[in-house]
Amino acid sequence: NAGVTQTPKFRILKIGQSMTLQCAQDMNHNYMYWYRQDPGMGLKLIYYSVGAGITDKGEVPNGYNVSRSTTEDFPLRLELAAPSQTSVYFCASSRGAGELFFGEGSRLTVL
Amino acid sequence: DAKTTQPTSMDCAEGRAANLPCNHSTISGNEYVYWYRQIHSQGPQYIIHGLKNNETNEMASLIITEDRKSSTLILPHATLRDTAVYYCIVRVAFGNEKLTFGTGTRLTIIP
Repeated sequence: NAGVTQTPKFRILKIGQSMTLQCAQDMNHNYMYWYRQDPGMGLKLIYYSVGAGITDKGEVPNGYNVSRSTTEDFPLRLELAAPSQTSVYFCASSRGAGELFFGEGSRLTVL
Repeated sequence: DAKTTQPTSMDCAEGRAANLPCNHSTISGNEYVYWYRQIHSQGPQYIIHGLKNNETNEMASLIITEDRKSSTLILPHATLRDTAVYYCIVRVAFGNEKLTFGTGTRLTIIP
């Protein structure tokens, strides 16, 4: 099993551009999450999903959108990128309320 | 999910036991205590979890007080590779999946 796979690992965007961070898991987990982590800070929950077709907002959802059309994939869309979205983004999944498995992260810089 | 309080940072000598405290005074009866750690800028890694009994696995031990308002993660023989940020979180087994992380404890193992 590959676990949780995030792409891309690194990306530089210009202000106002849009992009999608991809997240895929092959563990048949129903729960998936997107977090962001600013330098020296803890993780902030952006969006989460408890199953295909179901998504909900976390602590810091503004400026982001998600979809969950399949169990495996949970892409995070950034519309109109802003410097404040410069961060490391982590995707995670879990089977129900069990332990979370995290991806390696996607480092995004908005200039 | 209940909030947790952890010290910002701690040091521990290599080879000694590292004891990381966590306060979760508002924990509910159906909430578990989970511990994760994050090494450098990698994705967080699950360590251990428990409900009310003490737990032990190959990585660590978890001691939960009888009133469940606090817990301690114990790394029995700390090594330099245990230098990381350690997060204590509480979550219910089912239902609310708005799983949030605090800022954790930065543990530094001293040679």
